[in-house]
Amino acid sequence: GQQLNQSPQSMFIQEGEDVSMNCTSSSIFNTWLWYKQDPGEGPVLLIALYKAGELTSNGRLTAQFGITRKDSFLNISASIPSDVGIYFCAGQLRNSGGSNYKLTFGKGTLLTVNP
Amino acid sequence: EADIYQTPRYLVIGTGKKITLECSQTMGHDKMYWYQQDPGMELHLIHYSYGVNSTEKGDLSSESTVSRIRTEHFPLTLESARPSHTSQYLCASSPSPDRGRGYTFGSGTRLTVV
Repeated sequence: GQQLNQSPQSMFIQEGEDVSMNCTSSSIFNTWLWYKQDPGEGPVLLIALYKAGELTSNGRLTAQFGITRKDSFLNISASIPSDVGIYFCAGQLRNSGGSNYKLTFGKGTLLTVNP
Repeated sequence: EADIYQTPRYLVIGTGKKITLECSQTMGHDKMYWYQQDPGMELHLIHYSYGVNSTEKGDLSSESTVSRIRTEHFPLTLESARPSHTSQYLCASSPSPDRGRGYTFGSGTRLTVV
């Protein structure tokens, strides 16, 4: 099956710093998604990307769909303590009939922000 | 406001007990999923369903079973719990056709088998 390589596995940063994480795949996807999981909760969708080269922002978060369709990155600017959590990338294929296959998740990036 | 509900949030139970983890969604989604999340964070798909009376095993082999008698309800059952079943269990759902918005996750059940 498809596998996503997500890096880094963990990050320890100071409040106010910018953060960057990425996902790469050996095969292409039609959709890239980024989720955040707060401690003790389920993952919540942050950003969805649908076109190669697409750059999308959500507040301090910016994500891009790689031109090759095999990678995506997520940037967080001016981090704050509530950014703490696990960030997951997910890729999805869509067949010619318009149906979407199951999501393939990365292994997650654990972000710790020191006040 | 949560549209997908998991109960209980936390469960500590003895070895050999039968348990059922509940998952319900109010969004009318056809597709539902169960993930097991290990301490290393990774999400492992253990069961999924594309509609009533449809259930499939996921990528990670699991001793649990699921049922889908109603669209909104997708319970997971362990007939005889063991310490190796200790984990976080996450339920998720998505509509069909999928609009490319991914899955909506519940808050999870933290299961500890002693």
